[in-house]
Formats: sequence, C-alpha cells, structure tokens
Amino acid sequence: ELKVEQNPLFLSMQEGKNYTIYCNYSTTSDRLYWYRQDPGKSLESLFVLLSNGAVKQEGRLMASLDTKARLSTLHITAAVHDLSATYFCAVVKGGADGLTFGKGTHLIIQP
Amino acid sequence: EAGVVQSPRYKIIEKKQPVAFWCNPISGHNTLYWYRQNLGQGPELLIRYENEEAVDDSQLPKDRFSAERLKGVDSTLKIQPAELGDSAVYLCASTGPGYEQYFGPGTRLTVT
Repeated sequence: ELKVEQNPLFLSMQEGKNYTIYCNYSTTSDRLYWYRQDPGKSLESLFVLLSNGAVKQEGRLMASLDTKARLSTLHITAAVHDLSATYFCAVVKGGADGLTFGKGTHLIIQP
Repeated sequence: EAGVVQSPRYKIIEKKQPVAFWCNPISGHNTLYWYRQNLGQGPELLIRYENEEAVDDSQLPKDRFSAERLKGVDSTLKIQPAELGDSAVYLCASTGPGYEQYFGPGTRLTVT
C-alpha cells in the first residue's frame, strides 16, 4: 500500500524566514505532485516532479525530488503572508492512477 | 480554457436521503476521478474512469455509493442513503495527455 507522510503538519513562521516541508512516500512512485489549497477552495497545482533529482521553482517556492530516498521537499524562501495555505504532496504509482495524498501541511505566515 | 466544473457547490441533506453530484471535466480529458476530502485531511480517491469505463473503483463504498460516466464526458456520483459520516468535500478531477491532474471546486456535503 502506498503511503505518504508529510511533516510538519502545522507550521507557523515569520515573514522573511526560510523553511522546508518534507514529504516521504513508502513505495516506488512514477511522479510526485505538490498542491496548494486555500481555505474553502479547491487544489491548485504547484509542481509535478517526474524524475530523480528533479528541481522546480516558482517564485519563492522550490520543490525537489529524491526517488532513491523516496523524499520530496518544498522549500519556502523569504516567506510572505500570501503563501499562507495548506500544502499537499501526492504520489502516483504509475500511468493515470489516482493520487495518494499526504495529510497536508497547514502553513501560517505571520507579518 | 474552462476548468473542471462541479455542481452543486454546497448541499445539505438529512441522513438517509439520497444525493447526487455532477462533474464536467476539461474538454478532451479522457480520465476522470472522484475524490473525497474529509476535514483536515488530504483527498482520497473513490473512483477513476477512463472514458466511460470505471477502471479503479476499489475505494468506492459500493453499498451506498454509485457513479456513472455514460458518454465518457460528464459524470455523476450518487450516495443513497447518506450517512452522517459522508459529510465531506467531494472533488472531481480530470487529466488529459500530460501528467497534470486538474481539480474542480468541489461539492461540500453536510449530512444532518
């Protein structure tokens, strides 16, 4: 059974600081996704990571994938209040399989 | 390009009543998914369709849940009868030739 663990589950941080969210998964996966969800809203795709060593960056967010360690990280640089949201990682075994999600990291960025 | 469309956005029903949710995926997307998201949790897959065929319904509680995608485009998810524990957000997603999975706005179901 494919399992996904995120940590931390809750994170409160100050604007301007850097931090990293970790995502571990239990078995071999074809690719890894990061999503953002604002309260009461649906999921917004941030990144899709396809291969070992993949790194993608968008603004203050950077995601990386280590398939050997079954680990992905989402790094936040110089956090701003607008990045407050819940961040989910998800993996898929292969093909068009449904996603298996972690529990999410609830991120609060305080001025 | 229009995104994934779902209706209704909110639904409040009493337990033991039936309820149905509708989803229209992004045009041209052959793969459609229904997920359920409980409060404070990540979404969990209920069923996946390839065109009109349900290719993975292993997580669908078949005693009370049913789904259909008759013409391989829009889809309906039904619960009959609803239980208190069914209160959740029901999300529809679709994917096309690439790897992106696009989610709709969801239907928030409250069973009283």
